[in-house]
Amino acid sequence: KQEVTQIPAALSVPEGENLVLNCSFTDSAIYNLQWFRQDPGKGLTSLLLIQSSQREQTSGRLNASLDKSSGRSTLYIAASQPGDSATYLCAVKPDSNYQLIWGAGTKLIIKP
Amino acid sequence: NAGVTQTPKFQVLKTGQSMTLQCAQDMNHEYMSWYRQDPGMGLRLIHYSVGAGITDQGEVPNGYNVSRSTTEDFPLRLLSAAPSQTSVYFCASSYSKASGHSYNEQFFGPGTRLTVL
Repeated sequence: KQEVTQIPAALSVPEGENLVLNCSFTDSAIYNLQWFRQDPGKGLTSLLLIQSSQREQTSGRLNASLDKSSGRSTLYIAASQPGDSATYLCAVKPDSNYQLIWGAGTKLIIKP
Repeated sequence: NAGVTQTPKFQVLKTGQSMTLQCAQDMNHEYMSWYRQDPGMGLRLIHYSVGAGITDQGEVPNGYNVSRSTTEDFPLRLLSAAPSQTSVYFCASSYSKASGHSYNEQFFGPGTRLTVL
């Protein structure tokens, strides 16, 4: 059974720092992996989607990498800003299943 | 486009009561799904639908019913609320050939925070 883990559960860093959020999964047979952002009281917004054949995706200050063989993905945030404060979730889509398997998220706080 | 809308935003129920959480999308998406989010856990899929008239169970379907009579609406019914159903509920939709949205690109509603006493 696919399981997705995000460590740490919470992270607090000063503004301006570069940081990495981690996502690990137990079964390397995935179709894609997505990173989402969740703001308090709001829905989830998709940030980046990496297909299983890709190694990384970039959007602005965000870069997501995927290493299927080791069951890991990282979300790199460059030059962090207070507006980046949110909970970041990763979700894996198994090969033959529409359902997404979600991590519990990392709550990120960027201190001004 | 309003995107995915959910009502109500907050709800308090007593054990044994029933209610319906509403979800609507105006993007002509074929796929719709309901998740619950509990503290310290990832989102868990309750039910999903791949088109009008077609629904299927997700990971945690017990205690919930769904129907999909139209493309736009996907209500979630709690038959007899229990304290274990206290959670935040999210509706999501995806996939429309006409709009170019792939089924990988899920759009989420703002959520309904439900408390069962």
